Amino acid sequence: DAGVIQSPRHEVTEMGQEVTLRCKPISGHNSLFWYRQTMMRGLELLIYFNNNVPIDDSGMPEDRFSAKMPNASFSTLKIQPSEPRDSAVYFCASSYLGGTNYGYTFGSGTRLTVV
Amino acid sequence: GENVEQHPSTLSVQEGDSAVIKCTYSDSASNYFPWYKQELGKRPQLIIDIRSNVGEKKDQRIAVTLNKTAKHFSLHITETQPEDSAVYFCAAYSGGSNYKLTFGKGTLLTVNP
Repeated sequence: DAGVIQSPRHEVTEMGQEVTLRCKPISGHNSLFWYRQTMMRGLELLIYFNNNVPIDDSGMPEDRFSAKMPNASFSTLKIQPSEPRDSAVYFCASSYLGGTNYGYTFGSGTRLTVV
Repeated sequence: GENVEQHPSTLSVQEGDSAVIKCTYSDSASNYFPWYKQELGKRPQLIIDIRSNVGEKKDQRIAVTLNKTAKHFSLHITETQPEDSAVYFCAAYSGGSNYKLTFGKGTLLTVNP
């Protein structure tokens, strides 16, 4: 298994531009999570999906952030318009909930820099 | 919702010494407690986990203990090595309709050679 795949690995964009981060979860996993990591705030859960349905988006900072999961093998996190304070590492993680192992597998992350 | 507190935020030890990181949780329904290691510039990776029906679990030089009554769990690393240097995160899972892990803020462990 290739694990959780995120793209791009690095993204540099100008303030005001739209940014789209992509994630392919592990095949067979039914839950997907988007996290943001900064030095100040640590790991913050933005949103998570179960069986492609958004369950909790209370961590999404504001309306500029949106996430979709059109099918079991793909999810996007979009920021429009982007701001310098959005600069962070964004991790996607997936898990199979309903079995006996609740651990997450994280992707390699996308390092976003908004200038 | 669940709240996880992790201490200390930084820990520096000499190579060969032991390191202990402690976490407390608030939701008595939590039943699964994983620990993640994140090396600089890399993803968090699961290193060990424990369920609420077990008091202790060991895997070579690392061990986790759980005290359900006090609602705290700890990570123990013995014979530390420089490659153990990383940020360690604890987490708690309460199950039910809330499927998410709640993470602690992390502990930066530095092992000095």
